[in-house]
Amino acid sequence: QLQLQESGPGLLKASETLSLTCTVSGDSIIGRYFWGWIRQSPGKGLEWIATISHSGKTYYNPSLKSRVAISVDTSKNQVSLNLGSVTAADTALYYCARQYPYNWNPNWVDPWGQGALVTVSS
Amino acid sequence: NFMLTQPQSMSESPGKTVTISCTRSSGSIVSSYVQWYQLRPGSAPTTVIYEDNQRPYGVPDRFSGSIDSSSNSASLTISGLRTEDEADYYCQTYDISTHVVLFGGGTTLTVL
Repeated sequence: QLQLQESGPGLLKASETLSLTCTVSGDSIIGRYFWGWIRQSPGKGLEWIATISHSGKTYYNPSLKSRVAISVDTSKNQVSLNLGSVTAADTALYYCARQYPYNWNPNWVDPWGQGALVTVSS
Repeated sequence: NFMLTQPQSMSESPGKTVTISCTRSSGSIVSSYVQWYQLRPGSAPTTVIYEDNQRPYGVPDRFSGSIDSSSNSASLTISGLRTEDEADYYCQTYDISTHVVLFGGGTTLTVL
């Protein structure tokens, strides 16, 4: 069974760079699937951040694109997310997830990790 | 990009049926698949409907999805409501021209 485990700093200061890692177990990330990051800020809804395809093509939320980078490490079976110049508005629960592609679009999200809580202090 | 609009909250009694709508602001609802996710506090989100009307293995047939072109919306219907269905539900699709993933604002379902 596929499992996704996010890990990250938990707490960081404004203007720093957030680095999160998602370790995938139960299957290789080299395959037909895409891999993505989604977040939920306190009291708010879900916000898609980024997705990377099995061939390395990246897709970004236009509102975050200038600060975000997603990558994979196939040797470690990990997906990583970097978010630069964070502010308090980036405080959120960050989820890693597998995505089923459809015609090269990031489609269905399943499964999701448990999420990593990130707090940005000013 | 377009937006997906959901009612902020809904409430219904156990055993009843509830339908949550997800309306697309522009472009056709049928141009890209719609998924529905259930979020409970302390648990990872789970899929209850994918590709408009498909149920993942293990999701009971009390959950169903549909698309209505006339109202440009997708719907999630839950019949025979149980207290464990109380959760936040989000619809999701993607923009085929920009490859952007979009979520609706979420609906808090209360079963009491």
